Amino acid sequence: ETGVTQTPRHLVMGMTNKKSLKCEQHLGHNAMYWYKQSAKKPLELMFVYNFKEQTENNSVPSRFSPECPNSSHLFLHLHTLQPEDSALYLCASSLKGGGTGDLDTQYFGPGTRLTVL
Amino acid sequence: GQQVMQIPQYQHVQEGEDFTTYCNSSTTLSNIQWYKQRPGGHPVFLIQLVKSGEVKKQKRLTFQFGEAKKNSSLHITATQTTDVGTYFCAGLPNSGYALNFGKGTSLLVTP
Repeated sequence: ETGVTQTPRHLVMGMTNKKSLKCEQHLGHNAMYWYKQSAKKPLELMFVYNFKEQTENNSVPSRFSPECPNSSHLFLHLHTLQPEDSALYLCASSLKGGGTGDLDTQYFGPGTRLTVL
Repeated sequence: GQQVMQIPQYQHVQEGEDFTTYCNSSTTLSNIQWYKQRPGGHPVFLIQLVKSGEVKKQKRLTFQFGEAKKNSSLHITATQTTDVGTYFCAGLPNSGYALNFGKGTSLLVTP
């Protein structure tokens, strides 16, 4: 148990559906991250939030919309996804982000396995 | 852009053989971290290296950080079947904001 939980663990959705992924960390961290892991590109950083402010968006399509209401919760809202968006979506947290050395050690959640039909 | 290259992509060894994975960065790193992901699992932090030329050991695992702080390696002595998984390096650039992960090396160990 790493202190980072993600729900749901598995999700199957159609291309016209709207769904949300949830991440919660119980570690008192201030930075949270969304990663996409697929067979073609093993670990891609999508979004970074530091103290609830989005500090990085790695050219992610607008059909992915993150939300960070507080330092403990992170959401990824999904709509009109494509089959190529099927992947494992991992949430992570660290004590701080933004180049703070050992405070960037990341603790990953178990991931949400997403399948888009 | 800033990249961290990791080789090999796959490695298949017999139990008891040694294993090494290498990471190279196009830019100088503030620190480098190593993670292990078991099949079906999520990445788990192993260690962090900060100083130039630093060497750290965890039982059969030896981690090195290059003198120029641009490369790193993970060496496993006498592999065991429990070592199976994908090993990722992740570098924090001096001027960066977030870790850059390598593509990982998938290790398969057969008895």
